[in-house]
Amino acid sequence: GAGVSQSPSNKVTEKGKDVELRCDPISGHTALYWYRQRLGQGLEFLIYFQGNSAPDKSGLPSDRFSAERTGESVSTLTIQRTQQEDSAVYLCASSLGQDLSYEQYFGPGTRLTVT
Amino acid sequence: GQQVMQIPQYQHVQEGEDFTTYCNSSTTLSNIQWYKQRPGGHPVFLIQLVKSGEVKKQKRLTFQFGEAKKNSSLHITATQTTDVGTYFCALLTSGGSYIPTFGRGTSLIVHP
Repeated sequence: GAGVSQSPSNKVTEKGKDVELRCDPISGHTALYWYRQRLGQGLEFLIYFQGNSAPDKSGLPSDRFSAERTGESVSTLTIQRTQQEDSAVYLCASSLGQDLSYEQYFGPGTRLTVT
Repeated sequence: GQQVMQIPQYQHVQEGEDFTTYCNSSTTLSNIQWYKQRPGGHPVFLIQLVKSGEVKKQKRLTFQFGEAKKNSSLHITATQTTDVGTYFCALLTSGGSYIPTFGRGTSLIVHP
C-alpha cells in the first residue's frame, strides 16, 4: 500500500460510549504501534504488536483500552466507556520489523472527541 | 525507566535565523531517531543516528549524536517558513525493548 491508513479520520462520541479505531499498516510491516497525542503534547505509547508475538500492552492507560491485530495486518484499538480525557489524536505507526534501526511510518491519525 | 528531556518546548525565530533543539537521555542509547510533525499532520521520519559522535546533514539540517550517546541535537541553518512544525526525538536503547521513547517535542514557529 501507499502508506499507513487510519479510519475514521475524525470521531465524535458521547461520554460512556464505546469507540473502535482502525489501522491498516504498510504491507509487509510486521511491527505496529499505537500512540496517543493530546493537543500540544508529545507521543504517548499505548501498545506494540510484533508479528505473532504477544503484544506489549504496557502503555495502555486503563482496562477500558484494548487492541487487537490480525496476523500482520489490520489492527483495531477499542476504547470502552469513553471519558472526556480520552479526547486526543490516536496515531498508528508501522515498521519493517523488530529491529531498533527501523523507522516508523505514521498514519494520519484519528481525532477522537468525547463530548 | 528511561527519561528523556527535549528542549526548548517552543522556539520563535525570524525567518533566516538559526534554530537548535536538544534531546537528552538519562541512559546510554543504542540509536536515536528524529521526526518532524507539521501542524495538523503526523510525524514523519527525518533521520537516524547510530554511532557515537555521528554528524549527519540534510541540506540546512544538521543532526549530531553525542560522544557518550546520551544526547543529540538538531540544528537548522537559515530557517524558512517551511520548517514550521514540531520536531521530536525518539530514543532507542538495547536490551529487549523495541518501543522508542519520544521526547515532548520542540515546536518551531518561523516569523516571515
